[in-house]
Amino acid sequence: DIQMTQSPSSLSASVGDRITITCRASRNIGRSLNWYQQKPGKAPNLLIYAASSLQSGVPSSFSGSGSGTEFTLTISSLQHEDFATYYCQQSYGTPWTFGQGTKVDIK
Amino acid sequence: QVQLQESGPGLVKPSETLSLTCTVSGGSISHYYWSWFRQPAGKGLEWIGRIFTSGSTNYNPSLKSRVTMSSDTSKNQISLNLTSVTAADSAVYYCARDRSFMDVWGKGTTVTVSS
Repeated sequence: DIQMTQSPSSLSASVGDRITITCRASRNIGRSLNWYQQKPGKAPNLLIYAASSLQSGVPSSFSGSGSGTEFTLTISSLQHEDFATYYCQQSYGTPWTFGQGTKVDIK
Repeated sequence: QVQLQESGPGLVKPSETLSLTCTVSGGSISHYYWSWFRQPAGKGLEWIGRIFTSGSTNYNPSLKSRVTMSSDTSKNQISLNLTSVTAADSAVYYCARDRSFMDVWGKGTTVTVSS
């Protein structure tokens, strides 16, 4: 299985901050990396697919980059509704695997 | 737009079989993969497996011996069976449309394994 490791596991930030979350794969996955946002009691919501493609309806404040084994999710200006947990997921090969999540809360 | 709804018993006894259904509305299940995921309380996401409407399946090796998935195009449903459950199988279970990325998710259903 491909192991996915996110960092940090949690971070505290303020509205308007720029934040970056990193996801590392245990081997080269090309650009087969997706990002999700999950709020408490809700299903995950796709933000970014194929490393940098913005899902329809997702604000342009979200962006993704990277290839190979290292990827980043950036929120350029944090809004109240962005406080949530973020997961990366590799789609290079089954079994699909996720990072452990990064919880973003209010400082 | 496409919507997914999971359904099934919220309580299953240990050693029994967990059976869930995902009903798709607003679009056909044909020509897509459909995946099942689970998330224990306070923990991360685990992929259980996926099915294509032709019947082709991929299962997580960690669960493969206990998992069966099926689809019913006439009802626009996919189903999950997980046998010999234990408390470790207690989780919120989600179905999702699988395009290698999961772009549509159900709201999830909570399953508790307890006698």
